[in-house]
Amino acid sequence: DTAVSQTPKYLVTQMGNDKSIKCEQNLGHDTMYWYKQDSKKFLKIMFSYNNKELIINETVPNRFSPKSPDKAHLNLHINSLELGDSAVYFCASSQFDRMVLGYTFGSGTRLTVV
Amino acid sequence: DQQVKQNSPSLSVQEGRISILNCDYTNSMFDYFLWYKKYPAEGPTFLISISSIKDKNEDGRFTVFLNKSAKHLSLHIVPSQPGDSAVYFCAAIHTGTASKLTFGTGTRLQVTL
Repeated sequence: DTAVSQTPKYLVTQMGNDKSIKCEQNLGHDTMYWYKQDSKKFLKIMFSYNNKELIINETVPNRFSPKSPDKAHLNLHINSLELGDSAVYFCASSQFDRMVLGYTFGSGTRLTVV
Repeated sequence: DQQVKQNSPSLSVQEGRISILNCDYTNSMFDYFLWYKKYPAEGPTFLISISSIKDKNEDGRFTVFLNKSAKHLSLHIVPSQPGDSAVYFCAAIHTGTASKLTFGTGTRLQVTL
């Protein structure tokens, strides 16, 4: 039973399209995150939600919009996809008052924009 | 501005020997440090952590050392095993409001037979 699951695992799409990546966690955590791993393998935070409230919003183009319908879900919608959006996107979750225990990551979504 | 740095992109170690992975940070507000291990096509998995009030934390074959004055930490794996071959990420966090894990760029460890 996967703790943090992301769908799809692979996504190939054309420039200009709009796409969504879904994430669900069954750990009972109250905080969820989206990280982007670029071609240089650098893992960089994009967004964080705590109890459905946006608490971290890094410098990310506003073509990227996260949505958290409830504590267990955090989806990422990307409008007008560009070549530079190609990357692996990781969802993660944690318990806000126990972040020192680390995050639990999903297995990633490899997005390729052609 | 990269606040967590892993200057060695790769490391090769023979099975049975010690692997030492290094990490430097610049933000003195970080109060907790973590190591993650990542296999291809999988997400990072938590390995071991250390609080800034300690200088050493050990868990089986894995030991993390922290030198606050040098803003440096290292992960020791003894003895190294082929299954340890993976990318290791150092991460740091300031456990304040809206804290977030800041990652280094990773070191690829290859344990050879």
